[in-house]
Amino acid sequence: DAKTTQPTSMDCAEGRAANLPCNHSTISGNEYVYWYRQIHSQGPQYIIHGLKNNETNEMASLIITEDRKSSTLILPHATLRDTAVYYCIVRVLNTGTASKLTFGTGTRLQVTL
Amino acid sequence: GAGVSQSPRYKVAKRGQDVALRCDPISGHVSLFWYQQALGQGPEFLTYFQNEAQLDKSGLPSDRFFAERPEGSVSTLKIQRTQQEDSAVYLCASSLYTGGAKNIQYFGAGTRLSVL
Repeated sequence: DAKTTQPTSMDCAEGRAANLPCNHSTISGNEYVYWYRQIHSQGPQYIIHGLKNNETNEMASLIITEDRKSSTLILPHATLRDTAVYYCIVRVLNTGTASKLTFGTGTRLQVTL
Repeated sequence: GAGVSQSPRYKVAKRGQDVALRCDPISGHVSLFWYQQALGQGPEFLTYFQNEAQLDKSGLPSDRFFAERPEGSVSTLKIQRTQQEDSAVYLCASSLYTGGAKNIQYFGAGTRLSVL
């Protein structure tokens, strides 16, 4: 799976949008971009995924550049409960067998009052 | 509905002891994964089951680590003769399908193993 690069940490004021960048310059055409987050003392939680189109769900939006070499996860109105480590993962999808997740060290997002 | 359940939540072992960590996946989920997370690091893949078949064990760090899922539901990760470097959080994840983009992995809260 392609390697990803994320900033080590970011701060965001509560109520503001949190924009978390991820570089994946070696991504292949059949690799998807997934985002998970891990709140302290909990297991990772799925947020969103995409291939090449922008995606939005109830948690976040995912913006993928046209060349697919980078992406941004957007939390539109961050709250204190969004404080967590956010992982950007590039993943090849197999047919017939599930594929593992390869986590990096992620971005530690601190939401402040 | 019930999520992935792991037990115990915390385990303290003396070096050299054997330990067994349990994972109850979401009912009906075909795929089951084990990950190891060292302090300050992201989770790292250990092994993968599709039903009762262990299809990938490439991440197991040594032959002291053994996992099973005999009836295709509950899984146990066993570590023999524990060493201090085995201290970590062990995470279990399950997913409904075997493949595809929408095959989301759902994680348990993990078992924190401390080897003294």
